[in-house]
Amino acid sequence: SAVISQKPSRDICQRGTSLTIQCQVDSQVTMMFWYRQQPGQSLTLIATANQGSEATYESGFVIDKFPISRPNLTFSTLTVSNMSPEDSSIYLCSVHSSGRDTEAFFGQGTRLTVV
Amino acid sequence: GENVEQHPSTLSVQEGDSAVIKCTYSDSASNYFPWYKQELGKRPQLIIDIRSNVGEKKDQRIAVTLNKTAKHFSLHITETQPEDSAVYFCAASTENNDMRFGAGTRLTVKP
Repeated sequence: SAVISQKPSRDICQRGTSLTIQCQVDSQVTMMFWYRQQPGQSLTLIATANQGSEATYESGFVIDKFPISRPNLTFSTLTVSNMSPEDSSIYLCSVHSSGRDTEAFFGQGTRLTVV
Repeated sequence: GENVEQHPSTLSVQEGDSAVIKCTYSDSASNYFPWYKQELGKRPQLIIDIRSNVGEKKDQRIAVTLNKTAKHFSLHITETQPEDSAVYFCAASTENNDMRFGAGTRLTVKP
């Protein structure tokens, strides 16, 4: 299993500002995943972060808006830049277990409200 | 890429009844199918999973079935209890950790 510590747990931000979300894992993992979950909706993958290389973004998400850092095998950050009310959502980081069955473990999420 | 569809979006059952949630997937390369339960305000947590070489798996009141030919899999909860009330997500994943989630099913178990 993996224990993920994500912070902040929630924040209220002014439009036009940026927020950086941090995730710390208790073990070394190759890939870390960032998801967005809008109220009552499913988990939408934003990007996959690999240590030592640029993150891979899904369709509809761009690096300028959601820059990601992955300085080592246990840590990653996601920045939500130049925020607008449409960015209000829950953001979750995730890692997969190693081995054959790739169970996903999630951080506790960051509830972001942009006003 | 993979597309996972999940039905129904909401499900209400009486305590003690069974609940069934169904998912379909599009990518034949998907070989791992987990189900996650997300209680209000909490993170999703794995409740059961199945690999593509198995047709059915059971864990107490929860079972999952997989029809690889038809590309669909289902979650079955028997003898439902109020604490089963949550949002359930199915997912499909390939060997390269590309995991896609269904839209979710909000299950309400009425006492």
